[in-house]
Amino acid sequence: DSGVTQTPKHLITATGQRVTLRCSPRSGDLSVYWYQQSLDQGLQFLIQYYNGEERAKGNILERFSAQQFPDLHSELNLSSLELGDSALYFCASSAGAADTQYFGPGTRLTVL
Amino acid sequence: GQQLNQSPQSMFIQEGEDVSMNCTSSSIFNTWLWYKQEPGEGPVLLIALYKAGELTSNGRLTAQFGITRKDSFLNISASIPSDVGIYFCAGQDGGSQGNLIFGKGTKLSVKP
Repeated sequence: DSGVTQTPKHLITATGQRVTLRCSPRSGDLSVYWYQQSLDQGLQFLIQYYNGEERAKGNILERFSAQQFPDLHSELNLSSLELGDSALYFCASSAGAADTQYFGPGTRLTVL
Repeated sequence: GQQLNQSPQSMFIQEGEDVSMNCTSSSIFNTWLWYKQEPGEGPVLLIALYKAGELTSNGRLTAQFGITRKDSFLNISASIPSDVGIYFCAGQDGGSQGNLIFGKGTKLSVKP
């Protein structure tokens, strides 16, 4: 158990819908990262937050957004969902802005 | 997005055999990490390497950070059935941003 929690574990929704994925980092960690894992693209970095502020941005679509709250939990919002958004979404956390990352169990998103 | 070249893509070995996998990159990284992922779970950190030339062990696992900082390898000695999974290398630039660049993974199957 990495100490990173993610909810929900599974999510099934329809095209055009909007969903919110939630992540709680390990106790004491200030950084949260979001990654997408798909069969064709592998593990891809989406976005990083550090102590409430956006720190780095990767291949995140404009339809996707994230935020980190004062209690350090983070949410990833995915809107106008398309079939190709079906993937595993992982959250990771680290103590500082560039420290070792520990991954949560992931949320499997299926868009029908 | 940018990815590391990880090989082999898959391995089928007999229990007790040694395993070797590696990652190469056209870019220099300041940190190399090796993760293992089992079905339905998030990546679990195995070994982190922080210095060029560093050789680090974790039980039957040994990993090295290449001198050029553009490659890393992972060895598993005397494999056992629970070593089954997908092994990922990841590179990190460091600095103020911690996002990881992942290889596509090596799928390891162990025959008892």
